This record gives sequence, structure tokens and C-alpha cells, in this order.
Amino acid sequence: QKEVEQNSGPLSVPEGAIASLNCTYSDRGSQSFFWYRQYSGKSPELIMSIYSNGDKEDGRFTAQLNKASQYVSLLIRDSQPSDSATYLCAVNRGSGTYKYIFGTGTRLKVLA
Amino acid sequence: DAGVIQSPRHEVTEMGQEVTLRCKPISGHNSLFWYRQTMMRGLELLIYFNNNVPIDDSGMPEDRFSAKMPNASFSTLKIQPSEPRDSAVYFCASSLSEGTDTQYFGPGTRLTVL
Repeated sequence: QKEVEQNSGPLSVPEGAIASLNCTYSDRGSQSFFWYRQYSGKSPELIMSIYSNGDKEDGRFTAQLNKASQYVSLLIRDSQPSDSATYLCAVNRGSGTYKYIFGTGTRLKVLA
Repeated sequence: DAGVIQSPRHEVTEMGQEVTLRCKPISGHNSLFWYRQTMMRGLELLIYFNNNVPIDDSGMPEDRFSAKMPNASFSTLKIQPSEPRDSAVYFCASSLSEGTDTQYFGPGTRLTVL
């Protein structure tokens, strides 16, 4: 079992729809969770971080965390073609370590 | 403020040659990370430093890989000798070591070993 798992996609959604990206992790002791966006040929850029169970909203993005189910998701409302990218889930084990474990990413395609 | 700077952006070399990748973290950041990204394996952490000291190098694939951070503003990742399977994009990232753990990535070095 991979430490951080994501469906590779591609996930195709029409413009204006909600895109839902999912991530599961294996280490119950994980403390911090991150979503990075990576455009083709570019470096990853942080879009959301979440540390507590529940929802965290930032503009069109909502991150959801459920530690009991070891599950973190990212919702993108009103999806735009410019949201087409690969979305990487990253998990930090905490306890003073800055070691992130990344999933392999989900490729999102927003169709105009 | 300049972000993380990496050089070179592209490197093409022949098998057996030495390759040195360079990174300048964001000023004031105390933690520095080297990652390798391939289609098959995704983004893998190779090594990270805190206050110039290597903390975790468990991701370094083998003795052919070495990394140094001689001061707070410079780090190198060296591969000697290089092999075709080392072909990948190598990213450097930095973060403030206290108060936040957000990592900021450099543009990456695309390495091709022929």
C-alpha cells in the first residue's frame, strides 16, 4: 500500500462544475495535509493546507479532512479551464519533521 | 522577493558523467529539500536540510547521489556517475523551519542522461 494514494485520472469536468479530488493516506499519525497544483512543465505550487478535521474554504477551493477515515479531499467550485493541471496531495507526519510524502497526483481537465 | 532559484534549468549528459545541480533557497528560509519527479514514481523526497544540516537522507537512492549545503543560501545535489535511470526533473524547495511548514518549490532542473 502506498503511503499517499490518489487516482491518477484524468478527471474531466465541464466548465462551471464542481471538481472533486480525493486522497487517502496510510499513516494515522499524520498531522498536516496539503494540496499542490502543478501545471505541465512547471513546479508544484501550494493552494491549500489543512490541519484539523472538517472543511477549510479559500475562494473557490475547499479542503476536507477526515482523520478517522484517513481521507483528505479538494473541491474546486465553478471549475475553469485554467484549473486544468495535476493536483498533488501531500502529507506531513508531524512530530517536528518536515518530511512530506506526496501522492502521484490526479490530472484534472476542465472542458470549455 | 526572489523565489527558489535552481540551475541549470536543463542538463543533458552522457552516462558516467558527473552532474551537479544547484539551488538557492528563499532568503530567511532554514529548511531545504531536494525532490526527484518522474512519471512512474511521482515526486520523491531525496534529502532535506535544516539549518544547513542534513536531517533525513533516506530517500537518496544510492551512493552515487550526494548533497551538500555549505551555507544558508546554497545547496548542491551531485550524481556521480550518472546513469540513464537518473533522468528526471529535480526540484529544490525551501521553507521556514518554525511557525510554518509550507514548502516553496524552485522551477526544477530537467536532467537527461543518455
